[in-house]
Amino acid sequence: DIQMTQSPSTLSASVGDRVTITCRASQRISDWLAWYQQKPGKAPNLLIYKASTLETGVPSRFSGSGSGTEFTLTISSLQPDDFATYYCQHYNPYSWTFGQGTKVEIK
Amino acid sequence: QLQLQESGPGLVKSSETLSLTCIVSGGSITNSNYYWGWFRQPPGKGLEWVGSMYYYSGSTYYNPSLKSRVTISVDTSKSQFSLRLQSVTAADAAIYYCARVSGDYYYAMDVWGQGTAVTVSS
Repeated sequence: DIQMTQSPSTLSASVGDRVTITCRASQRISDWLAWYQQKPGKAPNLLIYKASTLETGVPSRFSGSGSGTEFTLTISSLQPDDFATYYCQHYNPYSWTFGQGTKVEIK
Repeated sequence: QLQLQESGPGLVKSSETLSLTCIVSGGSITNSNYYWGWFRQPPGKGLEWVGSMYYYSGSTYYNPSLKSRVTISVDTSKSQFSLRLQSVTAADAAIYYCARVSGDYYYAMDVWGQGTAVTVSS
């Protein structure tokens, strides 16, 4: 089974900071990777799919990159609304696997 | 706009069967572009895939760790799909989400229900 590992588990940052979250796959997964944002008490929200394609309506300060085994989610200038937990997710026919999550906290 | 709504009992006794339903509105559950899935999140923990279905082929797919206890079914007349999880234990307590899986989005989940909390009592 392919394992997805995110780092860090928690990240403390300030408004305006550039933030990067890493997701590593235990095997090469091409670009079968998505990123989600989840706020407390809410369902996850799709941000990026195909490793780097921004979902419609997602602010352009979010970007994704990577291929193979290492992927990153970058927030170019952290906004108050961005404090949340972020998950990467891999699709491997026919199963869906998530990373353990990265919580972005206010510094 | 497509909306998903989970429903079901919030409290299930240990060893019994959990049954949840996801009502799909604003779109067709039979659309060949989409799979439909169940996910869960134990309190304070991360997301876990439970199982998925593809109406077009009639196929179902289950998390191997749950496969022996899970059944996903569909009722197109009611535009809903359902989850049954047998022999529940405290480890099955979680918020359960249904979601649409989009083939156009590399099989990412682009629409989610609000989630329904399930507690397991002894």
